[in-house]
Amino acid sequence: DTGVSQDPRHKITKRGQNVTFRCDPISEHNRLYWYRQTLGQGPEFLTYFQNEAQLEKSRLLSDRFSAERPKGSFSTLEIQRTEQGDSAMYLCASTLGDRNTEAFFGQGTRLTVV
Amino acid sequence: GQSLEQPSEVTAVEGAIVQINCTYQTSGFYGLSWYQQHDGGAPTFLSYNALDGLEETGRFSSFLSRSDSYGYLLLQELQMKDSASYFCAVMGGGSYIPTFGRGTSLIVHP
Repeated sequence: DTGVSQDPRHKITKRGQNVTFRCDPISEHNRLYWYRQTLGQGPEFLTYFQNEAQLEKSRLLSDRFSAERPKGSFSTLEIQRTEQGDSAMYLCASTLGDRNTEAFFGQGTRLTVV
Repeated sequence: GQSLEQPSEVTAVEGAIVQINCTYQTSGFYGLSWYQQHDGGAPTFLSYNALDGLEETGRFSSFLSRSDSYGYLLLQELQMKDSASYFCAVMGGGSYIPTFGRGTSLIVHP
């Protein structure tokens, strides 16, 4: 399967713990996005990378959230000191080029903070 | 900022035609995309319009009017498998980052 893959698919954590998610984009795609989606809502933009450079972060993104894409391939999203409001589906998407209009999404990581 | 409006739910019967509307507000508009998402699944790309007019892809068509900041997705010959959420997403504001609407839940009845 050469699509976007995310790991883990599900994560249950206690409030206050740190969690890290991984995304492997389609191999030749140089742009990678992170989105968050809650029930009944559309994907909400968090941040994106062009190769290894993080070019934009949502103003809504708390400083507890950090993302990396160290070699311009896979990316990680870390949430520190999780809160119940962080419970959501975290989606990763990638595109080929900076003006490519078709984003390919992974299956997401569903985070539940208890 | 950017904002999009689309109906929260649409219902139709198998074989019918349904139109899902989307109005948007953004500066520096590049284009409007449509995505489909089944329950528990990933959003999948359906179409993209940068210019005014209708784009047809099989049973699905998408329309854009830049002057009205309006677009729609037209689904023909509805099938039960078309029951899903449909999102419009605008690219604008100086970047090609898709900003999504809240989605329209399409329910297809037999």
